[in-house]
Amino acid sequence: EIVLTQSPDFQSVTPKEKVTLTCRASQSIGITLHWYQQKPDQSPKLLIQYASQSFSGVPSRFSGSGSGTDFTLTISSLEAEDAATYYCHQSFDLPGTFGQGTKLEIK
Amino acid sequence: QLQLQESGPGLVKSSETLSLTCTVSGVSINSSGYYWGWIRRPPGKGLEWIGSINYSGNTHYNPSLKSRVTISVDTSKNQFSLKLSSVTAADTAMYYCARRWGAVDFWGQGALVTVSS
Repeated sequence: EIVLTQSPDFQSVTPKEKVTLTCRASQSIGITLHWYQQKPDQSPKLLIQYASQSFSGVPSRFSGSGSGTDFTLTISSLEAEDAATYYCHQSFDLPGTFGQGTKLEIK
Repeated sequence: QLQLQESGPGLVKSSETLSLTCTVSGVSINSSGYYWGWIRRPPGKGLEWIGSINYSGNTHYNPSLKSRVTISVDTSKNQFSLKLSSVTAADTAMYYCARRWGAVDFWGQGALVTVSS
């Protein structure tokens, strides 16, 4: 099973700050890495697919990069509405696995 | 507009079988290339893949749950279903049905299932 390790587990940030979240895979997965945002009492929402492709309707401040084993999700200028837990997910090895999540708190 | 809706009992007794159905509307479940799956989130924990199935019945299961999981599809009703046997308190979770191509692009709103002793 491919293990995804996200860092940090928790981050407290101020609005307009640039935020970088990371996801490391236990083996190379090419670009089969996707990012989701989940707010309390809501279903997760797809932000980025295949490492760097923005999903339809996602604000341009969200971007992704990486390949192989190391991936990043960047929020260029944090807004209050971005308070959420962010998950990475690999679809290289089906059905797939998720990272443990990074909880983002707005100061 | 694609919609997925979970349905099933919200309370299941320990050692019994959890059963959920996902009704898909707005698109045919026969859509080539897509898999339809189940994901759960236990209280205070992260997301966990349970498994997925395509229209022809090809399945992929989480190895840690494989012995207890069955996912099936009913194309005539545009539905797919989850059965999880021998449940324990550790199976208490929000259960989501979802559509997957590579990434999961559509999710149901979720169904909370509590396992009671």
